[in-house]
Amino acid sequence: GENVEQHPSTLSVQEGDSAVIKCTYSDSASNYFPWYKQELGKRPQLIIDIRSNVGEKKDQRIAVTLNKTAKHFSLHITETQPEDSAVYFCAASNELGNTPLVFGKGTRLSVIA
Amino acid sequence: DVKVTQSSRYLVKRTGEKVFLECVQDMDHENMFWYRQDPGLGLRLIYFSYDVKMKEKGDIPEGYSVSREKKERFSLILESASTNQTSMYLCASSKDSGETQYFGPGTRLLVL
Repeated sequence: GENVEQHPSTLSVQEGDSAVIKCTYSDSASNYFPWYKQELGKRPQLIIDIRSNVGEKKDQRIAVTLNKTAKHFSLHITETQPEDSAVYFCAASNELGNTPLVFGKGTRLSVIA
Repeated sequence: DVKVTQSSRYLVKRTGEKVFLECVQDMDHENMFWYRQDPGLGLRLIYFSYDVKMKEKGDIPEGYSVSREKKERFSLILESASTNQTSMYLCASSKDSGETQYFGPGTRLLVL
């Protein structure tokens, strides 16, 4: 089955700097890659996703890139702000298959003002 | 907006008690999921369900069972709670099994 590895487990950046979180997956049939943000005491919420027919997707200060050959995808946050501090989870799945999302273990991002 | 609700935000139970955690979604989603979340271990899938009365084991089903009698409701049952089941429990739903999941607010369970 699918296995998703996420790095780093913790990340501290200065406000205004960029943050990058990387994930690798094992199943070449995976074609859907969402990212979730979980603020302290709150539920995980989808912030951006990408499907295998595109290599990059942007939404304001966040972007996701996908390299299907290497089987890795990354979340990029530019101009970080204190409210970006949270735990971020990547996930992977085959939307056409009958198996649920497989999540990485999460990255705790701290943005220092 | 998808709304996923869970019956309790906080719960304290004694070892050996039977515990019911309930989850309700209002988007007519086929799929529902139960996870537990522990520091450093991420989201671990306990059970999921594709349809009413259907259930599939996830990665850590031991000590848990589930029930899905209605499409909108998915219950997690701890037959005999143990201290190592102290955790945050998150429910989620999705339209199709591999698609985006929408999470409930979580239930923080303490077993004494």
